[in-house]
Formats: sequence, structure tokens, C-alpha cells
Amino acid sequence: KQEVTQIPAALSVPEGENLVLNCSFTDSAIYNLQWFRQDPGKGLTSLLLIQSSQREQTSGRLNASLDKSSGRSTLYIAASQPGDSATYLCAVRPRAGGTSYGKLTFGQGTILTVHP
Amino acid sequence: DGGITQSPKYLFRKEGQNVTLSCEQNLNHDAMYWYRQDPGQGLRLIYYSQIVNDFQKGDIAEGYSVSREKKESFPLTVTSAQKNPTAFYLCASSIRTDTQYFGPGTRLTVL
Repeated sequence: KQEVTQIPAALSVPEGENLVLNCSFTDSAIYNLQWFRQDPGKGLTSLLLIQSSQREQTSGRLNASLDKSSGRSTLYIAASQPGDSATYLCAVRPRAGGTSYGKLTFGQGTILTVHP
Repeated sequence: DGGITQSPKYLFRKEGQNVTLSCEQNLNHDAMYWYRQDPGQGLRLIYYSQIVNDFQKGDIAEGYSVSREKKESFPLTVTSAQKNPTAFYLCASSIRTDTQYFGPGTRLTVL
């Protein structure tokens, strides 16, 4: 059974810092990995999706990397801002062909606070 | 204005009652999903549907039921058999295995 773990559970940094959020998964047979952002009491917003054949994806100040063989992904946020404060979740989709193909397995999230 | 809507935003249930949470999408997505989120935890999949009139159980389906009679609608019923239903419920949709788009959520509280 796939398990996804995110470290740290919470992170507080001053504005302007570069930071790294970590995600690890136990089964490397994945189709893709996705990073989401969730504001308090709201739904999830997709940030980046990395296919299993890719090593990284970038969007603005965000960069996500994937090392499938070691079961790890990192989300790098450059020049953090107070507006980046939110919970960040990673989720993996299993490899195509199995009965669980449509299912995402989520980590428990990292709560990020960026203070001015 | 395309997107996913969930209603109500807040829902209160008495012990022994069944309640139904609404999820509608106008994105023309084939797949729809229901997740449950508890404080400090990630999302857990309740049910998902990849096409109309078909759905599969997720990891925590006990005490829940769904239907998919229309492509744009995927209602979730929380039955009295669900012993601890207080949680935040999120609906999502996607084109096959592409990015999932989430609704704003429904917070269910048992009185």
C-alpha cells in the first residue's frame, strides 16, 4: 500500500527566504506526482504536476523535482512571501494499468507560515 | 464561468440522520472524486467515478454512498452507518488522469 510522508509538518520562515518542502513515497511505481496548495477552510489548488518520466517542473518561483527511484520529491519556493502562507500537499498517482489507477494518495501536508 | 461547486458550505447532522452533499462541475470532466480531510491529515479517498453510471470505492467508503447519473453531478450521501462523520469533504474532477480540480469543500459537523 502506497504511503506518502511530508516533512516538516510545519515551517515558519521570514519573508524572502528560499525554502524546501519534502515529500517521500514508499512505492516507486507511480504515474505522476502532484503538489497542491490549500488555504485555510478552502479547496486545493494544483501547483505543479510531474510525470514519472520527468525530473522537474517549474512555475514562477516554484520548482518541483522528482527522484522516482528513491521515492522522493521536493518543492522549492524561492524568495518566499507572506502570501505563500498555506498548507502544501503532495499526492502520487499509481502507475497505469492497475485497479487503483484513478486514485491519488496524499501526504498529510506541510503548514507554511511566511512572516513579514 | 467554469468550475466545481459544492453545497452547502456548512452542514450540521443529528445522530442517526443521512445527509447528502452536492458536487457539480461544468468542466466536462469524465472523472469525479470525493475526499475526506480531518485536522492535520491529508486527504483520504472515499469514492471515485471515471464515467457516468460507474463508480469505485476508495480507501474509506464504509458509511458512504454515491451516484453518478449525470456527467456533471456526483452527490455523496453520509449515512447513519458512518460513525465519525465530522470532517471537511472535498469534491474534485479531472480529465482522465490529468490534474484534479477541487471544489471549495463542505464542512460537516455532527451535533
